[in-house]
Amino acid sequence: ETGVTQSPTHLIKTRGQQVTLRCSSQSGHNTVSWYQQALGQGPQFIFQYYREEENGRGNFPPRFSGLQFPNYSSELNVNALELDDSALYLCASSLDADTQYFGPGTRLTVL
Amino acid sequence: AQRVTQPEKLLSVFKGAPVELKCNYSYSGSPELFWYVQYSRQRLQLLLRHISRESIKGFTADLNKGETSFHLKKPFAQEEDSAMYYCALSGGRGGSQGNLIFGKGTKLSVKP
Repeated sequence: ETGVTQSPTHLIKTRGQQVTLRCSSQSGHNTVSWYQQALGQGPQFIFQYYREEENGRGNFPPRFSGLQFPNYSSELNVNALELDDSALYLCASSLDADTQYFGPGTRLTVL
Repeated sequence: AQRVTQPEKLLSVFKGAPVELKCNYSYSGSPELFWYVQYSRQRLQLLLRHISRESIKGFTADLNKGETSFHLKKPFAQEEDSAMYYCALSGGRGGSQGNLIFGKGTKLSVKP
């Protein structure tokens, strides 16, 4: 059984740029959730995708968008990066939105 | 507003001592409560959930709806319990974890 993987591990961008983060679900899972974890904080829910449809969204602006593909892998896109977007981005996969299994995260730094 | 509060940023105990990590929540309805743990250099993983009412690695947690609490307890701490612990709630039903709301976490340090 393959666990959740995320790429890249680390990323440095400048303010105003756009970024795409990727997540491969655990084998057999059809649901992906994305979280933002700022330093010293708990993860904060961005959105969830279930069978390629958005299935809930947290309090994040529209410049945070996502996709889920037929193989249930997922992307998180962030446009017009701001300094406050610097954080660890976590992806979690699950089967039918049950127990979530987290990936190792992507550390994004915005300069 | 839905909220999870973990009042302690850091909890330090000696090996063999009892441990209680506090978690209070605010939610209108019947939430599902979880404890997640992150060991050093490892990913976040589920420790236990209140609906399963099981003990994992000697840890237990009881949901107290009157006090809106879900404290994590272990009678005898081990050094390998040192980690970051997050309490989380979900408004999902039947184990469904849609939107997980996390607390800020408590770092547990177990000294020899």
